[in-house]
Amino acid sequence: LAKTTQPISMDSYEGQEVNITCSHNNIATNDYITWYQQFPSQGPRFIIQGYKTKVTNEVASLFIPADRKSSTLSLPRVSLSDTAVYYCLVGETDGTPLVFGKGTRLSVIA
Amino acid sequence: KAGVTQTPRYLIKTRGQQVTLSCSPISGHRSVSWYQQTPGQGLQFLFEYFSETQRNKGNFPGRFSGRQFSNSRSEMNVSTLELGDSALYLCASSPGTNLNEKLFFGSGTQLSVL
Repeated sequence: LAKTTQPISMDSYEGQEVNITCSHNNIATNDYITWYQQFPSQGPRFIIQGYKTKVTNEVASLFIPADRKSSTLSLPRVSLSDTAVYYCLVGETDGTPLVFGKGTRLSVIA
Repeated sequence: KAGVTQTPRYLIKTRGQQVTLSCSPISGHRSVSWYQQTPGQGLQFLFEYFSETQRNKGNFPGRFSGRQFSNSRSEMNVSTLELGDSALYLCASSPGTNLNEKLFFGSGTQLSVL
């Protein structure tokens, strides 16, 4: 079971780039890394997924080093609406469902 | 495409009662998963159904059960409610064919047990 470790909380000012790092030392060969965002009283929302190197979409970038033991979610120029909890998950290759940890609570300050 | 729909949005019950929550997945999705979210424990996996069969199950007591219908809609039932069952119950759907496919969550049912 590939567990993940990420900071409990982070603060940032509006307009800054935010990088949230997640450790997953036991990641398996076929596992993907997925990030979700959750606002209060809502279900998590998929942000980005990657396997190696770098993935970018209209919302964020995901950086994965060669050893894949960690990954970094990068949010460019955050706004107040990016205040949320961000979860890093590692896909299970044996078919068991994704395990959500406690996530990182990002607070964006004006 | 309509998203995942969960009903009811809010529910208040008393200890000892039972409750049934409903989830309608995105059209074409055959997998439905249920999660319990509390401030102390975070998001915990309850079970997953695929094509009317329970495919995975989390570490919850037998009071928590579920089922899936032929149209992929799913229900979960909690019997003999306890105060600790107060939580946000989230349902997620996915096509169900890939191990790493993304989940689409509903807004949840907020259950309060008094």
